[in-house]
Amino acid sequence: QKEVEQDPGPLSVPEGAIVSLNCTYSNSAFQYFMWYRQYSRKGPELLMYTYSSGNKEDGRFTAQVDKSSKYISLFIRDSQPSDSATYLCAMRPYKSGTYKYIFGTGTRLKVLA
Amino acid sequence: DAGVTQSPTHLIKTRGQHVTLRCSPISGHKSVSWYQQVLGQGPQFIFQYYEKEERGRGNFPDRFSARQFPNYSSELNVNALLLGDSALYLCASRRLRPGSNEQFFGPGTRLTVL
Repeated sequence: QKEVEQDPGPLSVPEGAIVSLNCTYSNSAFQYFMWYRQYSRKGPELLMYTYSSGNKEDGRFTAQVDKSSKYISLFIRDSQPSDSATYLCAMRPYKSGTYKYIFGTGTRLKVLA
Repeated sequence: DAGVTQSPTHLIKTRGQHVTLRCSPISGHKSVSWYQQVLGQGPQFIFQYYEKEERGRGNFPDRFSARQFPNYSSELNVNALLLGDSALYLCASRRLRPGSNEQFFGPGTRLTVL
């Protein structure tokens, strides 16, 4: 079993829809969670960073962490065709000196105009 | 401010050859990490360097090595290339201050091994 599981998609939604992207994980020590957006053949772009549990909002993006369920989510409101990309979740435990992030495989999102 | 930069953008090598990839972190960032991303997969951690010292290593063979220079730039070296080394190699930098754990990626170097 992989430490981080992410549905590869593709997920197709109409423009303006609310998108929900999710990751589950098995390591209860994970404390730092990030979401990246990656366009084809480009490097990942950091979207959201969350420490421990709770919600964080930034513009059209909301990140949620539920540590009791080992489940994290990224919501995109009012989705646009320019949001079409692969979304990667990444996480790591709190341990001084250890900065190895574990990534999901990524979910491919298509927003249809 | 410039982001993380990597060179070259693309590289084509043959099996058995050696390759060196380069990375310059964001100004003020002292930590550099290297990741390998095979098509259709998430990035896999290779190395992390901070203050020129290796601080973490992933499950990669000894053919992979890296170093960090006094200006915090970094090189990733891969010897005896195999077809399976074909991937996007990503460099990421971090500031490493309390409360600052965000990691920023460069555009990557796409390596093709024939």
